[in-house]
Amino acid sequence: DTGVSQNPRHKITKRGQNVTFRCDPISEHNRLYWYRQTLGQGPEFLTYFQNEAQLEKSRLLSDRFSAERPKGSFSTLEIQRTEQGDSAMYLCASSPPGLAGVKHEQFFGPGTRLTVL
Amino acid sequence: AQSVTQLGSHVSVSEGALVLLRCNYSSSVPPYLFWYVQYPNQGLQLLLKYTSAATLVKGINGFEAEFKKSETSFHLTKPSAHMSDAAEYFCAVSGGSGYSTLTFGKGTMLLVSP
Repeated sequence: DTGVSQNPRHKITKRGQNVTFRCDPISEHNRLYWYRQTLGQGPEFLTYFQNEAQLEKSRLLSDRFSAERPKGSFSTLEIQRTEQGDSAMYLCASSPPGLAGVKHEQFFGPGTRLTVL
Repeated sequence: AQSVTQLGSHVSVSEGALVLLRCNYSSSVPPYLFWYVQYPNQGLQLLLKYTSAATLVKGINGFEAEFKKSETSFHLTKPSAHMSDAAEYFCAVSGGSGYSTLTFGKGTMLLVSP
């Protein structure tokens, strides 16, 4: 078990470009979450998958954002036409199936830091 | 709706002193509560969790927290601070949406001086 992994760790892009991030959860975890963390703030929820189904999306997830988890394993988060306000750390987390006390515990990856110039 | 308030964006202690980081929550349903620690440029590591069992929860690295329903609090403590404890700490709550998404506080930076 290598934990949650995210790639790339850092991404610098120019405003208007598209970017895509990847998250590989812990292998037996069926729940996957994306969060965004800006400087000086706690992580804010973006979206949630149970297996391949996207079950919840935050109002923070504008039309320029799209997330997929096609086979219920890894997930991608794409941002189209990036804006400077998108600069943040994007965190992925996963949690296992099971009783409430278990499924609510989330394991976080190291994050992808996006800088939009 | 759920929310978390962490009192104090920065807390400074001397090495060996008591650490107390405050967290108050709001939840319309019985909450699950968590404390996470984040070191610079890293993801979040779970310190401890409350999931409706014992109200005094022990975590890693000597940290513990007590769930007090009457005060809607879940403060984090450690009897003796270590230099390695210097990091940012986040309190989080889940359970209200029917799923398991976390709502985080803004975090408290713990500074430890020798």
